[in-house]
Amino acid sequence: EAGVAQSPRYKIIEKRQSVAFWCNPISGHATLYWYQQILGQGPKLLIQFQNNGVVDDSQLPKDRFSAERLKGVDSTLKIQPAKLEDSAVYLCASSRTSGSQDTQYFGPGTRLTVL
Amino acid sequence: GQNIDQPTEMTATEGAIVQINCTYQTSGFNGLFWYQQHAGEAPTFLSYNVLDGLEEKGRFSSFLSRSKGYSYLLLKELQMKDSASYLCAVENFNKFYFGSGTKLNVKP
Repeated sequence: EAGVAQSPRYKIIEKRQSVAFWCNPISGHATLYWYQQILGQGPKLLIQFQNNGVVDDSQLPKDRFSAERLKGVDSTLKIQPAKLEDSAVYLCASSRTSGSQDTQYFGPGTRLTVL
Repeated sequence: GQNIDQPTEMTATEGAIVQINCTYQTSGFNGLFWYQQHAGEAPTFLSYNVLDGLEEKGRFSSFLSRSKGYSYLLLKELQMKDSASYLCAVENFNKFYFGSGTKLNVKP
């Protein structure tokens, strides 16, 4: 089975520019997660979707970050405008459901550098 | 708030056994996951504990004590390829909270 796909793998932008990341989860997985992982830290959940609805976006900086999963399959995460502190790896993960014991499978991530 | 603590870094010798600890204080608990993350790569699932006790999977075992808010990952017969970061994550009402990870260095 194909894994979680993400693109681009790397992105370098200047502060105040905009950037978008794309994620395609494992086929049939209803739940999709976006995480931010700053160097030396564990992943921090930004937003969680169940199908095309938002389950949790409490840690998403909504003044500059937005995400959507319009058809309940692939998803995009956007940052506008970017700040230096947004430099991180953005990981997408999916699971069959959002129920307990359901393992998350991670994509390769997008490494963002903001100059 | 949610608090998950792991040692920052550990070093062990090839062929040895190493134990990586994780302590947590969370408002709720549905289970605990361990992930392995090689540098520059995505985390991959290693183990899951929901009940107290030891779960064994080949060279890797994971232990949980819910009353103590404590888990450990035990790696036996260490190999060089085990050099990676090991992330502890607590599930709380379908939300996942990760520790900062323990970087394990395996030396010959």
